[in-house]
Amino acid sequence: DTEVTQTPKHLVMGMTNKKSLKCEQHMGHRAMYWYKQKAKKPPELMFVYSYEKLSINESVPSRFSPECPNSSLLNLHLHALQPEDSALYLCASSHGQGEYEQYFGPGTRLTVT
Amino acid sequence: GENVEQHPSTLSVQEGDSAVIKCTYSDSASNYFPWYKQELGKRPQLIIDIRSNVGEKKDQRIAVTLNKTAKHFSLHITETQPEDSAVYFCAVPFGNTPLVFGKGTRLSVIA
Repeated sequence: DTEVTQTPKHLVMGMTNKKSLKCEQHMGHRAMYWYKQKAKKPPELMFVYSYEKLSINESVPSRFSPECPNSSLLNLHLHALQPEDSALYLCASSHGQGEYEQYFGPGTRLTVT
Repeated sequence: GENVEQHPSTLSVQEGDSAVIKCTYSDSASNYFPWYKQELGKRPQLIIDIRSNVGEKKDQRIAVTLNKTAKHFSLHITETQPEDSAVYFCAVPFGNTPLVFGKGTRLSVIA
C-alpha cells in the first residue's frame, strides 16, 4: 500500500464546533506531517511527528491540536476555528524526518462558517 | 529562514514544446531537491527529485538539473502534453523544516 488516506474529504463547521481530521498510512513511515494550503498558495507546514513524538510546531494557534495515536495514524483536532482557517489540510508521510520523499494524502477541504 | 524563489509563476507552452521551471535557494547545506505536481483539486504528487551528489536526473520526459554552486535547480519537461497542465512546486529542506516550498508555477499546455 503506497497511499496516504485522509477523512473526511470535505468538512463544513461553525466557529463553535469541535471536529477532527484523520490521516492514515501503511507504508511503515515514521514521520508524519500536517500542512495547510490556501488557494493558489504552496503548502505550509503546521506540525511534524517523528517516531510518534511532536518534533515541529510551526507556531500554529492552539485551536489546532495534533495527535499521533500510533505510527500509522495522525489526527488534527479543531476547536473554535475562524473563517480564515478555511483551507485544504494535507497530511503527508515519509520514511524519516529529514531529506526523504514526502507522500501526500488527498486532503480535507475545510470550510469554517 | 530559507528563501526559495521559483520562476516563472505562470507558463504557457504549445503541446509538444518544452517547459523549464527554475528554483533558487539560499541554504548551501541543502542536499535534497524535489519537484511536486498538483492538479486542480488534487494532492501534490512527487514527480522527480535529486540529491546533491548528482547534477542531473531523468525520468522519461521529465528531468531535473542541479547547480549546487549557483544554488539553483530546474525542472525540464519535454514533448509537453495537455495532461502536464498543473501547478508545479519546487521544495528545499531547511534546518528543522523538512520542506520549504516555492510559490508554484502554473503550467498550461495548449493543444
